[in-house]
Amino acid sequence: DGGITQSPKYLFRKEGQNVTLSCEQNLNHDAMYWYRQDPGQGLRLIYYSQIVNDFQKGDIAEGYSVSREKKESFPLTVTSAQKNPTAFYLCASTPGGYNEQFFGPGTRLTVL
Amino acid sequence: GENVEQHPSTLSVQEGDSAVIKCTYSDSASNYFPWYKQELGKRPQLIIDIRSNVGEKKDQRIAVTLNKTAKHFSLHITETQPEDSAVYFCAASNSGAGSYQLTFGKGTKLSVIP
Repeated sequence: DGGITQSPKYLFRKEGQNVTLSCEQNLNHDAMYWYRQDPGQGLRLIYYSQIVNDFQKGDIAEGYSVSREKKESFPLTVTSAQKNPTAFYLCASTPGGYNEQFFGPGTRLTVL
Repeated sequence: GENVEQHPSTLSVQEGDSAVIKCTYSDSASNYFPWYKQELGKRPQLIIDIRSNVGEKKDQRIAVTLNKTAKHFSLHITETQPEDSAVYFCAASNSGAGSYQLTFGKGTKLSVIP
């Protein structure tokens, strides 16, 4: 179902803890993206990466960090600096030079 | 940067009626406009898209129209069915900028009443 996987599906975090969300794709896509989804807010871009070892901040990067050491993987770390991290997180990928983004199933993060 | 406005935020229609969702964008350089459907708890999935060199595109019961001059585009669903109930997102992108980023609208929750 799309070749993009995210884990875990549900994640609970205590305040003050960093957590890392996994995103893996086997589609050989060059670009990968992380979005945050809140009710009534649509999808907001956190970070994106067009090639390995390079990534750019999106609209709401504060409190988040990423890495792109392999083409297939784009993990997102939600740090303790993120004030309101409870949300649904979606990863997406797209082939180079192509617009359509393919989404993973998402991770629902809840801060306790 | 790009800004996409989407209306309405909620829409209820009777089964068999048509539904129309409208979006406006701010960046005249945007040239790619996809529509995604997201069912409850699921991932968004592309249902139709249009590029700036085309004014209208149809796929069975779904159509999208684009007015570049007015910078708005619309999704039209005819003969709605209960399985069309979902949240629909429009988006805009400027592929000429090289990043292929999508800027999304805030979504429209469509309810089709049997």
